[in-house]
Amino acid sequence: GQQVMQIPQYQHVQEGEDFTTYCNSSTTLSNIQWYKQRPGGHPVFLIQLVKSGEVKKQKRLTFQFGEAKKNSSLHITATQTTDVGTYFCAASTNTGNQFYFGTGTSLTVIP
Amino acid sequence: NAGVTQTPKFQVLKTGQSMTLQCAQDMNHEYMSWYRQDPGMGLRLIHYSVGAGITDQGEVPNGYNVSRSTTEDFPLRLLSAAPSQTSVYFCASRFRGQGAISTEAFFGQGTRLTVV
Repeated sequence: GQQVMQIPQYQHVQEGEDFTTYCNSSTTLSNIQWYKQRPGGHPVFLIQLVKSGEVKKQKRLTFQFGEAKKNSSLHITATQTTDVGTYFCAASTNTGNQFYFGTGTSLTVIP
Repeated sequence: NAGVTQTPKFQVLKTGQSMTLQCAQDMNHEYMSWYRQDPGMGLRLIHYSVGAGITDQGEVPNGYNVSRSTTEDFPLRLLSAAPSQTSVYFCASRFRGQGAISTEAFFGQGTRLTVV
């Protein structure tokens, strides 16, 4: 199946520091989605990127889709304790019938 | 709207036992999927369905069966539980996208399964 690699696996930051997680694929992606899972919770959709080079912002979160549509990143500015959780990227197959999740980045924010 | 409802929330099985994890959605979504989540492995797709009567295998289908007799329900059956199936299971549903473009997936609360 389609493989989506995500790095880093874990990240500990002091509150107020920035955080970035990266998602990489060896094949061109039709679109990419990002989800957040709070500890003990279920994944919740954050955003979808479709266009090459697309950049979207949600308050302190910035999402980018690479020009070649093979990579994506999520950047959080000035982290807060409410940002704690695991962030996943997910990319769909060419048919759009299923999508595959990256391994996730677990973010810990130290107050 | 209840969204995606999974039952049970927790389950302990003995090796060799069978059971069914239930998943129901009330959003009239065409697509439904089952994932398992293990530490360091992310979410791995077990089976999925693009509509009633249609199912297909994902990345890790062995040991699991599914059926989709209605739009609303997508149960996951463990035929003969093994310790390797200890995991957290999530059901998700979404609308069909346009071509290769996906749509937002909605997840259930998860079922934490332990096989001893």
